[in-house]
Amino acid sequence: ELKVEQNPLFLSMQEGKNYTIYCNYSTTSDRLYWYRQDPGKSLESLFVLLSNGAVKQEGRLMASLDTKARLSTLHITAAVHDLSATYFCAVFMDSNYQLIWGAGTKLIIKP
Amino acid sequence: DTAVSQTPKYLVTQMGNDKSIKCEQNLGHDTMYWYKQDSKKFLKIMFSYNNKELIINETVPNRFSPKSPDKAHLNLHINSLELGDSAVYFCASSWLAGGKNEQFFGPGTRLTVL
Repeated sequence: ELKVEQNPLFLSMQEGKNYTIYCNYSTTSDRLYWYRQDPGKSLESLFVLLSNGAVKQEGRLMASLDTKARLSTLHITAAVHDLSATYFCAVFMDSNYQLIWGAGTKLIIKP
Repeated sequence: DTAVSQTPKYLVTQMGNDKSIKCEQNLGHDTMYWYKQDSKKFLKIMFSYNNKELIINETVPNRFSPKSPDKAHLNLHINSLELGDSAVYFCASSWLAGGKNEQFFGPGTRLTVL
């Protein structure tokens, strides 16, 4: 059974700092997704990583995928308050077409 | 312009009642999903339909019944509502055949069972 673990689950940081959220998964997959959820809102797709070594960047966020290590990272550069949200990673299971979700990382960025 | 829409946005009801949530997508996707998000924000897949055929049917009480009249619609009917059904229910859709399978989510329906 595929398990997806995110860490940390909670992160409070100051504006201007850099930090990384980690997403580990337990079995082979080459498709990984990052989503953002603001309080009381829906989930918004941020990145789709479809192969080993994939790297995507959007503004202050950069996501990467290492399928051999079964690890994806979401790196935040020079954080700003607007990035405060809960971030989820999800891994695609070919066997049953499901996305298996991490528990989410609640990120609070203080001015 | 709304890609994935759900109605209603809020649903407050008494235990034992039956209710339905509707979902529509105008993205031309071939697959639709229902998720439950509990108070701790954990997302659990409930059902998925691909071209109107059920492909994911996770362990949920049989009080929950999905219906897909066509590829653009996936409704969720819940019988005999219980307190533990209180949660946010999200509908999503994706293009499974296309390979990328990026899922797009509706705004959610917050269900409160009293």
